[in-house]
Amino acid sequence: DAKTTQPNSMESNEEEPVHLPCNHSTISGTDYIHWYRQLPSQGPEYVIHGLTSNVNNRMASLAIAEDRKSSTLILHRATLRDAAVYYCILRDRGSNYKLTFGKGTLLTVNP
Amino acid sequence: ETGVTQSPTHLIKTRGQQVTLRCSSQSGHNTVSWYQQALGQGPQFIFQYYREEENGRGNFPPRFSGLQFPNYSSELNVNALELDDSALYLCASSATGLDGYTFGSGTRLTVV
Repeated sequence: DAKTTQPNSMESNEEEPVHLPCNHSTISGTDYIHWYRQLPSQGPEYVIHGLTSNVNNRMASLAIAEDRKSSTLILHRATLRDAAVYYCILRDRGSNYKLTFGKGTLLTVNP
Repeated sequence: ETGVTQSPTHLIKTRGQQVTLRCSSQSGHNTVSWYQQALGQGPQFIFQYYREEENGRGNFPPRFSGLQFPNYSSELNVNALELDDSALYLCASSATGLDGYTFGSGTRLTVV
């Protein structure tokens, strides 16, 4: 599986936007970019995924670089409930199983 | 939708024993995966089932086995428990396996 690189931790203030970066320089043409987050004492939660174009949903936006070697998860207004570990995962459409999690980014949101 | 439910939430077993963990997936979710998450690490893929057949397996020994049932429930069985098997075990289900997975809150297994 192609590898992703994320910062170990980031900090934000409540009600401010948060940009969580992910590098994936070895991404292949069939890899989808998935984001999950894991709140304390819970299982991971699906956030968003995309292939080439930027994507928006009710939780977040995903901005994908033109060369697809990096992407950014955008939380438009952070809340205390957004404090979690965020995982950026590449998923080959051909291998339709398994999510390969790294260590993710621990996001701290300050009140 | 009722989400993914796992039982029990916590479990303590002795080294060498066997354990069965259970998962109830969302109706219509034909794909179920199991993950092991050690403290401070990301989840690691154990295996996946699609319509009661195993269709993918991670780097786990054969003493980790599973079953999926027609009623969208599934089991993870671990034989000959080792201390290193202590972890959070997560079940995840998906309608197609290609889009987002819904995870349960996990079973915390402690092997002593």
